[in-house]
Amino acid sequence: GAVVSQHPSWVICKSGTSVKIECRSLDFQATTMFWYRQFPKQSLMLMATSNEGSKATYEQGVEKDKFLINHASLTLSTLTVTSAHPEDSSFYICSAPALTWNYSSYNEQFFGPGTRLTVL
Amino acid sequence: AQSVTQPDIHITVSEGASLELRCNYSYGATPYLFWYVQSPGQGLQLLLKYFSGDTLVQGIKGFEAEFKRSQSSFNLRKPSVHWSDAAEYFCAVGPILTGGGNKLTFGTGTQLKVEL
Repeated sequence: GAVVSQHPSWVICKSGTSVKIECRSLDFQATTMFWYRQFPKQSLMLMATSNEGSKATYEQGVEKDKFLINHASLTLSTLTVTSAHPEDSSFYICSAPALTWNYSSYNEQFFGPGTRLTVL
Repeated sequence: AQSVTQPDIHITVSEGASLELRCNYSYGATPYLFWYVQSPGQGLQLLLKYFSGDTLVQGIKGFEAEFKRSQSSFNLRKPSVHWSDAAEYFCAVGPILTGGGNKLTFGTGTQLKVEL
């Protein structure tokens, strides 16, 4: 199946600094990628939809100035957590749809392994 | 608004026993339903999905799920659990986007423990 990678897999930073997380589709192109946030023992919450060549679409309640998304190429989307604070500590997961068969309009989503962010 | 409920936070079964994980959804139109599995350090993996047609869908690793519209349920089953099935299982619902993929709403997950 298609592979999505994330880098870094974990990061620790000081409060007030910014952190960039990369999401790459390794063997396919993705015009759309999705960013999720997962708190411990909780579900995944969709944060935003990343669109190649255009602005990201944020879910209600997600601060767009806090979580900057850039989808600069067909294989890379980045999430930058700006001025991070301890409450931003979480597990961030990206996903990308990849065409798995050529007679359907459905694109199965493939998920990255996630990035654990800890803000001190 | 769409939502997903997984009533069981934790389930423990013995290896070889049967398994059923419950999922109830709320969705305004015909739902697109999914089951994913998440193992530590790994990304979510799609087990199976339901879009339309036969209400009993087969997935990978011997899993199956049955869509019951009257009960708004999409329960996951496996006749004989293996120790390697221990993981977190998520039920999800979401529309198919025109541009590809889907905006998924996930349930809270069920942690499966398998006793040897």
